[in-house]
Order: sequence, then structure tokens, then C-alpha cells
Amino acid sequence: GAVVSQHPSWVICKSGTSVKIECRSLDFQATTMFWYRQFPKQSLMLMATSNEGSKATYEQGVEKDKFLINHASLTLSTLTVTSAHPEDSSFYICSASKGSTEAFFGQGTRLTVV
Amino acid sequence: GDSVTQMEGPVTLSEEAFLTINCTYTATGYPSLFWYVQYPGEGLQLLLKATKADDKGSNKGFEATYRKETTSFHLEKGSVQVSDSAVYFCALIPSNDYKLSFGAGTTVTVRA
Repeated sequence: GAVVSQHPSWVICKSGTSVKIECRSLDFQATTMFWYRQFPKQSLMLMATSNEGSKATYEQGVEKDKFLINHASLTLSTLTVTSAHPEDSSFYICSASKGSTEAFFGQGTRLTVV
Repeated sequence: GDSVTQMEGPVTLSEEAFLTINCTYTATGYPSLFWYVQYPGEGLQLLLKATKADDKGSNKGFEATYRKETTSFHLEKGSVQVSDSAVYFCALIPSNDYKLSFGAGTTVTVRA
């Protein structure tokens, strides 16, 4: 149990377009979902925390208008990178928590903006 | 704030060698401690965890003991395999929060 699926696993988009990444908890209800960004050979940087039905809480320095997060249900959260630019190219990972101290991670999405 | 410091890599080992990755933390109270592993091109997987002092987490031959006195959670494996090649992250969740804080990650390469 406790599987988190992230889709797509990779995406290439043109500069200026928007990209949506989905994060689903397949076999449990996630009270909280987290979005991370990982630069090459670096650690994960928490971007935002989302709770179902409420606005996401963004970490300092993360542009909320650029990285739109929607947590529509207890099993789905989406991250939309709006007006993407090459510097947004990165590995994005979501995780979901069902209230305990353990978080379950998706497979990650590699975004390349050309 | 609460943070994790882990040994910088990369680490290159031969098969069957002993692996240690040091991890120390700074936190108030009693955080929960984790080791995550990231295989090439994949997301993170929980390797093991410990939620209180002196707890030992273990999985797949890996072990780590929560040491409050030294604020450490070092990862060890007695005999590594090529399939253990990955990036290993030490992480914590503070006692009064729910957000994971990660160390920088240590890249481990095991050669046959």
C-alpha cells in the first residue's frame, strides 16, 4: 500500500507554454501533499505544501503565480508551471502524507523547457 | 531552524565493501529521522526510519541508529552490491512540524 503516482514522468515543452503535473495517491487518502524541486546533483527543495480544499502554502522564494498548485481532492494534487522558461527545467517530485510522519514519493517528473 | 548535514560524496566502493554515510542533525526536541534512496531516473523511496532515540532502522541490509547524544543517524551496510548504487538522502521531520528537511544527498557508486 501507500503508492503515489506522478504523471507525466517526463515532459518537453516550448518556452512560454504551461505544463501540468499530476500527483495521485492510489491507495490512500492524502491529507497533505508536498511539491519538491530537485536541481542536478542537489538535494530536494520544498516548494509548497498543499492540503485538500485549501490554498497551498509556498516556501519563501517560490513564486506562487508561476507554480500553481491545486489540491482538488484527497487523492489528487496538481502543479502547473505557467509560462515555462528554460530555467524552470528541473526534476519535480511530489509526496503525499496520510497524517503520520511518513511521506510517500512519486516517481518524479523531468521537465525540459526548450 | 532544523537541518540535516550529511557526508558529501561521491563515494565509490567495490562490491562487498563496507559503506558508511554520516548524517548529523540540528533540531529541537525529538525529530523523526529518515534515510531515503533515489535510484537513477527515479523518485525517492524510503529506505528506513527511526522515530525516537536509540531506535534502529533497518532495511535491505542497511542500518541506522538514532543517536540523541551525538545527534547522528549514520547509515551503514556491511557488504554493498552494484544494485546499491544510488543517491542517499538523510532527512528529518521536526517534532513540532510535518515537513521533511533533506540533507544534500550522497551519491554512491558500487563497482563490480
